[in-house]
Amino acid sequence: TQLLEQSPQFLSIQEGENLTVYCNSSSVFSSLQWYRQEPGEGPVLLVTVVTGGEVKKLKRLTFQFGDARKDSSLHITAAQPGDTGLYLCASAKGGSEKLVFGKGMKLTVNP
Amino acid sequence: NAGVTQTPKFQVLKTGQSMTLQCAQDMNHEYMSWYRQDPGMGLRLIHYSVGAGITDQGEVPNGYNVSRSTTEDFPLRLLSAAPSQTSVYFCASSYGQYNNSPLHFGNGTRLTVT
Repeated sequence: TQLLEQSPQFLSIQEGENLTVYCNSSSVFSSLQWYRQEPGEGPVLLVTVVTGGEVKKLKRLTFQFGDARKDSSLHITAAQPGDTGLYLCASAKGGSEKLVFGKGMKLTVNP
Repeated sequence: NAGVTQTPKFQVLKTGQSMTLQCAQDMNHEYMSWYRQDPGMGLRLIHYSVGAGITDQGEVPNGYNVSRSTTEDFPLRLLSAAPSQTSVYFCASSYGQYNNSPLHFGNGTRLTVT
């Protein structure tokens, strides 16, 4: 059973469109991380959300942690080709050192 | 800063061969881990270490061994390679508890077992 479910798994959009990717679980997390991975490279951290209901913004990216700390979303406004990549959420059950990842959402932004 | 360095970048093995994937970090991070990435499967945790001398199993540990004799190095050993171990392997490190510091990843080792 996947601890973290991401949706959609694939998305191909035109430059300028908006999109939202979701990360859901039946478990409660103390925190959740979002990473982006480009081809041939390792993932790079975008943000960590810790508090239920928390909203963080990183330029055109908005991250939200659900009130119950079981889900999170990433919204991209006016997507650009440079946003193309694999977006991964990651977390661990409370007290665990095992950081596990969702399967990721592969985003392609066409010019 | 070199960060997390993985070697080799590419490797081809025959079934039954053994090899060690090297991982070194120069950030004095206590936490290190190994993941494998397969198409459609995301990143799956193989083994991790919370400090020198301490290792533990992740989600998919079978067929892999690790040791942590120093803070800097965390090698991953395949004792008898199988085609199912064809994958891209990533090593990562962080300063401490994951929620207070990000995971820093290497650029991966692409392994093919024939």
